[in-house]
Amino acid sequence: EAQVTQNPRYLITVTGKKLTVTCSQNMNHEYMSWYRQDPGLGLRQIYYSMNVEVTDKGDVPEGYKVSRKEKRNFPLILESPSPNQTSLYFCASTQGISSPLHFGNGTRLTVT
Amino acid sequence: GQSLEQPSEVTAVEGAIVQINCTYQTSGFYGLSWYQQHDGGAPTFLSYNGLDGLEETGRFSSFLSRSDSYGYLLLQELQMKDSASYFCAVPSGYSTLTFGKGTMLLVSP
Repeated sequence: EAQVTQNPRYLITVTGKKLTVTCSQNMNHEYMSWYRQDPGLGLRQIYYSMNVEVTDKGDVPEGYKVSRKEKRNFPLILESPSPNQTSLYFCASTQGISSPLHFGNGTRLTVT
Repeated sequence: GQSLEQPSEVTAVEGAIVQINCTYQTSGFYGLSWYQQHDGGAPTFLSYNGLDGLEETGRFSSFLSRSDSYGYLLLQELQMKDSASYFCAVPSGYSTLTFGKGTMLLVSP
């Protein structure tokens, strides 16, 4: 089954404790991205990747890192989480600009 | 940069027709997409308009006018399960999307 898999689904952590949210896709898509979703603000792009070792900042990249060492994986790293990073996070992948974006099931992160 | 405007909320009754509008500003236009998101779920793709006109997929249709920087999603024969948030989106760069803030559709019996 074609899918984007994110883990974990829920995460509660404390300020400053490094964490990684994993994302994997099995559709051989070149393009992957991370979004955060907050009430009233919609989906905002954090980082995206056009291929292995090619990443770029989205609209809200501060406080986040990503890596793309393999085509299928695109982890999101929070080196020192803060409470304003409490949000719902989605990973997504696509074949290209006019193709559907396939989303993972989301990771609900709470930073206390 | 890109920006999109859509209504924050729309209400309708079962069986009715509802239209969700989206206006956009973008540098370099490559098409308008629509996504549906049920509460707590992941967004799912509904439609894509690369050219002007109407695209129909079952009960859902999407329209685009590039000269007006405007599109809409039309939902017919509304069902309770259509209660969800609907997002319009335009490409930003090669392969990612900028989304509107979403329209919450509430369908009542």
